[in-house]
Amino acid sequence: QVQLKESGPGLMQPSETLSLTCTVSGFSLTSNGVGWVRQPLGKGLVWMGTIWAGGSTNYNSAVQSRLSISRDTSKSQVFLKMNSLQPEDTGTYYCARHDSFRGDYFDYWGQGVMVTVSS
Amino acid sequence: DIQMTQSPASLSASLGETVTIECLASEDIYSNLAWYQQKPGKSPQLLIYDASSLQDGVPSRFSGSESGTQYSLEINSLQSEDAATYFCQQHHDYPFTFGSGTKLEIK
Repeated sequence: QVQLKESGPGLMQPSETLSLTCTVSGFSLTSNGVGWVRQPLGKGLVWMGTIWAGGSTNYNSAVQSRLSISRDTSKSQVFLKMNSLQPEDTGTYYCARHDSFRGDYFDYWGQGVMVTVSS
Repeated sequence: DIQMTQSPASLSASLGETVTIECLASEDIYSNLAWYQQKPGKSPQLLIYDASSLQDGVPSRFSGSESGTQYSLEINSLQSEDAATYFCQQHHDYPFTFGSGTKLEIK
C-alpha cells in the first residue's frame, strides 16, 4: 500500500539548514509528484513545494529563495533542504503524494515530523 | 496568490445533524478543489477531490458541491468520529493554497 514517512532532526537553531527526508513505498516517484506541506502548531496548512514525476519542481514564492526539493528515485526518497531557519519555521512538516492522474491534490500523507527552531 | 476564505472557523453540532462548511476562492479555480479532514495529532486525510468526487473509502455522508467560486462540504448524519478540523485546498494554480480550517465539535 502507499506509504510516506518523514524523517529528520527535531530541534534546529536559527540560521541553520534543515534537511528532511521523505521515504515512500507503494508507488514510484517517476509516476507521482510529492509535495511538502508545513503546519505551524495549532495553525493551518502551507504548501511549500513539489517535485513532480518528471523531476521538475515548483516552490511557494514565500520560501523559494531558501528551499530546495530533490529526490533519489532509486531509493524512493524525496529531500527537503531549507536554509536560514528562523523560529517562524517551527512546525510539523508533511510530505504528501499528488494524485497526478486525476488532479494535483494530495491523496496520501505522511505522519509528519515536528521541527522546532530555537536557540 | 489565490485566497481561500473558509467559514465558519468553528462549529458545534449534535449527533445526526447536518453541517455545511464553505470555502470562497478569490478567483475561478475551475473545480480544482479538495477537502481534507484532520484529527488531533494526525495528518490530513483526503475526503473530496475535484470539488464533488468522493475519495475511495470515505463515507457517503460526506459530499461536496460548488456554485461559482463558492465551494461547500456537507456532512450528513453526523457521527462522533467526524469531530476534526476540515481544510479546503485549491490546486488550480501555484502556490497551492489552503483554507484556514474549520474545527467541528460534536455535542
